[in-house]
Amino acid sequence: GESVGLHLPTLSVQEGDNSIINCAYSNSASDYFIWYKQESGKGPQFIIDIRSNMDKRQGQRVTVLLNKTVKHLSLQIAATQPGDSAVYFCAEDEMDTGRRALTFGSGTRLQVQP
Amino acid sequence: DAGVTQSPTHLIKTRGQQVTLRCSPKSGHDTVSWYQQALGQGPQFIFQYYEEEERQRGNFPDRFSGHQFPNYSSELNVNALLLGDSALYLCASSFIGEQYFGPGTRLTVT
Repeated sequence: GESVGLHLPTLSVQEGDNSIINCAYSNSASDYFIWYKQESGKGPQFIIDIRSNMDKRQGQRVTVLLNKTVKHLSLQIAATQPGDSAVYFCAEDEMDTGRRALTFGSGTRLQVQP
Repeated sequence: DAGVTQSPTHLIKTRGQQVTLRCSPKSGHDTVSWYQQALGQGPQFIFQYYEEEERQRGNFPDRFSGHQFPNYSSELNVNALLLGDSALYLCASSFIGEQYFGPGTRLTVT
């Protein structure tokens, strides 16, 4: 498949380690945040989301942390696996205004070394 | 459930030509959004269709237009193609919650 991001920041981790991917956002009005995973040749795949009234949400092997004070979002992946290798994007939206148009960050490439 | 489908998968056009891309939403979804993803960047919102009308629009020129049909499927049209229009065009469908993305159409303008 075609490479999604040729010049993205890259995080390289060993299989089994925990990964942390960070994202900064700028819109103070954003109240809904999502992490997407994009593999080469595919569209973005939903991983986990969080509303602005929360600061932490956990899924299966993934945790999203939201710090509204500094407008920072992070995605933690536990026990990273080779199948986690992909480009990860954070996205934000204004649910309360009904905007429903995602604004994406620039992405981070995660490389998992076996 | 086939999820969100898009056609064609790949397309090569010449500058100045016009192109139409198609999207079928996930079953039960009534809202379709289109995004443009340049190589190495995150997707950028083009516009969104709901009840056959354009509900929201991003910062794209009028050369980009769309349509939604009664069965909720959608088309993206781009006129007077420029080299800079080369990108992956993504369709996302939703009902109330999260947006589900299709695999995209890779458009190359030469």
